[in-house]
Amino acid sequence: GAVVSQHPSWVICKSGTSVKIECRSLDFQATTMFWYRQFPKQSLMLMATSNEGSKATYEQGVEKDKFLINHASLTLSTLTVTSAHPEDSSFYICSARIRQGVQETQYFGPGTRLLVL
Amino acid sequence: GESVGLHLPTLSVQEGDNSIINCAYSNSASDYFIWYKQESGKGPQFIIDIRSNMDKRQGQRVTVLLNKTVKHLSLQIAATQPGDSAVYFCAEIRGYQKVTFGTGTKLQVIP
Repeated sequence: GAVVSQHPSWVICKSGTSVKIECRSLDFQATTMFWYRQFPKQSLMLMATSNEGSKATYEQGVEKDKFLINHASLTLSTLTVTSAHPEDSSFYICSARIRQGVQETQYFGPGTRLLVL
Repeated sequence: GESVGLHLPTLSVQEGDNSIINCAYSNSASDYFIWYKQESGKGPQFIIDIRSNMDKRQGQRVTVLLNKTVKHLSLQIAATQPGDSAVYFCAEIRGYQKVTFGTGTKLQVIP
């Protein structure tokens, strides 16, 4: 199946710093990528939809100035957590939409675990 | 409001037995559904999907059943193996873009 990678796989940072997470589609072009966050023992929550060449669409309650998304190419979307605080510690997962014939599905990256001290 | 949820938070099965994981949804306008498997510390892994105009779809050791009358979705895993232990999410797709996840069911396989 399609492969989506994320980098880094985990990061520890001090409160107040900014952290950038990369999401890449390795063997296909993804015009649309999605960013999720997941707290322990909870389901994935969609944060934003990232469209190549245009502004991201954020879900209600997600601060766009806090979570900066850039989708500069068909294979790369980045999520930057600005001025991270301990409450931003979470598991961040991206996915990429792929069309196979008339069917579309989403493939997920392995996730990035962020710990803000 | 619209939601996708699971009946059982935890399911324990004996190795070799069949597993059935259930999911209820409330939005009848969804386009299709996907089952994902998530192992600890990893991203969700696509298992199988089913379009809203289908009732059943089979994959390798897995079968998904869709009952639109009662808005119910199930994932059947045949001959459950220890490697099947994970959290399983059903996801509802609307507009072929937005994915809404259920709360998840933890499957524990007893050797």
